[in-house]
Amino acid sequence: GDSVTQMEGPVTLSEEAFLTINCTYTATGYPSLFWYVQYPGEGLQLLLKATKADDKGSNKGFEATYRKETTSFHLEKGSVQVSDSAVYFCALSGSSGGSNYKLTFGKGTLLTVNP
Amino acid sequence: EAGVAQSPRYKIIEKRQSVAFWCNPISGHATLYWYQQILGQGPKLLIQFQNNGVVDDSQLPKDRFSAERLKGVDSTLKIQPAKLEDSAVYLCASSFPGSSYNEQFFGPGTRLTVL
Repeated sequence: GDSVTQMEGPVTLSEEAFLTINCTYTATGYPSLFWYVQYPGEGLQLLLKATKADDKGSNKGFEATYRKETTSFHLEKGSVQVSDSAVYFCALSGSSGGSNYKLTFGKGTLLTVNP
Repeated sequence: EAGVAQSPRYKIIEKRQSVAFWCNPISGHATLYWYQQILGQGPKLLIQFQNNGVVDDSQLPKDRFSAERLKGVDSTLKIQPAKLEDSAVYLCASSFPGSSYNEQFFGPGTRLTVL
C-alpha cells in the first residue's frame, strides 16, 4: 500500500536559518503530493502541493519539488521565522485513481525556530 | 466562508463508555472524511463519504466504530465501547470533488482521552 516516510524530528533552528525536511513516498500509481502544516492549537492547513512529476509547489517562502525518479518531495525554506514553528506533515493522495482521494500522511516533523 | 466545524473540542471518558463526535463540513462539499491522529503519528483515514454513501471504510474498526452522514451534510462518528488505545485526535475534513487534487479542508479536531 501507499506510505510516506519523513524526517524524524524535532528540528530546532535559529531564525533565518535554512530548512530542509525530507520526505519520500511509496505508491503504486501516480499520486499527488502535499505538505500540510499544523500550528499550535490549530487544525491542519494545506501548505503546498504538486500534482505531477517535476512540479514545484510553493507558498509562504516554502518550496517542494515532486521528484518521481527519487520518489521524494522534500520541503525547503531559505530563511525560517519564529512564526514557522509548527508540525509539518508530508502526504500523498490519489495513487489508486477513481474517487478515493484519501490522504496518506507521514508521522510529522516538529519544527521549532528560536529568535 | 465558514470552515469545517467539529464538536466537542475535548472529551474525557472511561474505557468501555461510548462517545460521539460531530462534524459539519464546508457548505457544498460533497466529500467528508474522518481521520484518527494518535499522538506522534500522522492522521489515518477511518472513513470517507461521498454525499451520504461510504467510499472507503477499510480502516474503520467496525466492531466498535460507526459513522453516518444521513442527509449528506453533517456527520457523526461514534465509538462504543471505547478502549484505551482510542485516545487520539479525531479530525474531520471535507472537499469539493472536481478539482485535480481534491483539496481537503480540516476542522480543529476533537481530542479524546480514554482513561
